[in-house]
Amino acid sequence: NAGVMQNPRHLVRRRGQEARLRCSPMKGHSHVYWYRQLPEEGLKFMVYLQKENIIDESGMPKERFSAEFPKEGPSILRIQQVVRGDSAAYFCASSPNFWGRGGYTFGSGTRLTVV
Amino acid sequence: GQQLNQSPQSMFIQEGEDVSMNCTSSSIFNTWLWYKQDPGEGPVLLIALYKAGELTSNGRLTAQFGITRKDSFLNISASIPSDVGIYFCAGRTWNSGNTPLVFGKGTRLSVIA
Repeated sequence: NAGVMQNPRHLVRRRGQEARLRCSPMKGHSHVYWYRQLPEEGLKFMVYLQKENIIDESGMPKERFSAEFPKEGPSILRIQQVVRGDSAAYFCASSPNFWGRGGYTFGSGTRLTVV
Repeated sequence: GQQLNQSPQSMFIQEGEDVSMNCTSSSIFNTWLWYKQDPGEGPVLLIALYKAGELTSNGRLTAQFGITRKDSFLNISASIPSDVGIYFCAGRTWNSGNTPLVFGKGTRLSVIA
């Protein structure tokens, strides 16, 4: 499968635990974007990364949330000490360059449920 | 920040009917994109627009980049049951630097057979 791969598809965490969401971009894509979708809402931008660099994290909460895209391996979105309000679908997208002519390619998402 | 206003929020239509939805922005955009999201899946790109006035078709779908650069519309002709889903507009402003795509809240389409 040459698409954007996200895992896990579903993740259940108790309040206070950590959630780790993984994203492997399409082959040849070095730009990764994370978006959050709440029920009945659109996609809210969180963070934009290029290999080993965070380019724009203006949409990511300053506390408990972090993201990385190491030289080797997938991009990781980490949520520490999860709360019920973190329950949402988290989507990763990738593009071959910033301008992403042709748009971003999205993964199928990780649905996080905090209980 | 940038805001996209997408309307209508939801639509219930009969199979075979045509559908029209639109998106407006408070800023001038240089790129407009339309995505569809099926239940439990990620958004899939339908049409991309890069020039003011551009009209592009993809099968039964037609989208246009508004002349003012602040709006776009998507039409679906002769709807079928598999058109059900959420349609999102997305765009990027003219001088947005490294700002990634911003999305509308979506139009939820239901097709009654």
